[in-house]
Amino acid sequence: GAVVSQHPSRVICKSGTSVKIECRSLDFQATTMFWYRQFPKKSLMLMATSNEGSKATYEQGVEKDKFLINHASLTLSTLTVTSAHPEDSSFYICSARGTGHSPLHFGNGTRLTVT
Amino acid sequence: EDKVVQSPLSLVVHEGDTVTLNCSYEVTNFRSLLWYKQEKKAPTFLFMLTSSGIEKKSGRLSSILDKKELFSILNITATQTGDSAIYLCADNGSGNTGKLIFGQGTTLQVKP
Repeated sequence: GAVVSQHPSRVICKSGTSVKIECRSLDFQATTMFWYRQFPKKSLMLMATSNEGSKATYEQGVEKDKFLINHASLTLSTLTVTSAHPEDSSFYICSARGTGHSPLHFGNGTRLTVT
Repeated sequence: EDKVVQSPLSLVVHEGDTVTLNCSYEVTNFRSLLWYKQEKKAPTFLFMLTSSGIEKKSGRLSSILDKKELFSILNITATQTGDSAIYLCADNGSGNTGKLIFGQGTTLQVKP
């Protein structure tokens, strides 16, 4: 089945620094990947759609200059949280879809803590 | 605006009980509905429902879709403590965006 790998699983950084999170589709090519954010005991909130070879599409209210997305290949998308602040602390999850009309498969998520 | 609504938002039961989780949706160009289980990490896929009235089953879990009434249910029989999780329902990418629209989730706690 489709496997999505996300790295790192946990990161702690200081306020003002930038953090990069990687999302890889291991056994399939993904022209589109999705980045979600999840607050404790809440559902997943879509942040942006990452498109291979083109600009990401951001959801309303998500700052594109703060959450930089790069989808340079068919198997890799990265999310960079720039100039992180404590309010950026959250659980970030990436996902990708295989071919056709298939379910979305998720990475294991990255827990970001900004001190 | 497309939306997915789950109920109840939280549920506490005892081992052995049967639970029914609800998901209603209002989406344009509906294709399918997804159920996921989320424990401590990322959601794991349970079911994809495309056709009305056909029950999907996996062990003690089953799910069915009603496209006329625009809802789905997820049943868990003989619950175990390991069933404790957030259960998420999602519209599987209506329109051309391919993105999922999630419901709020149902937090299930199964007590010994």
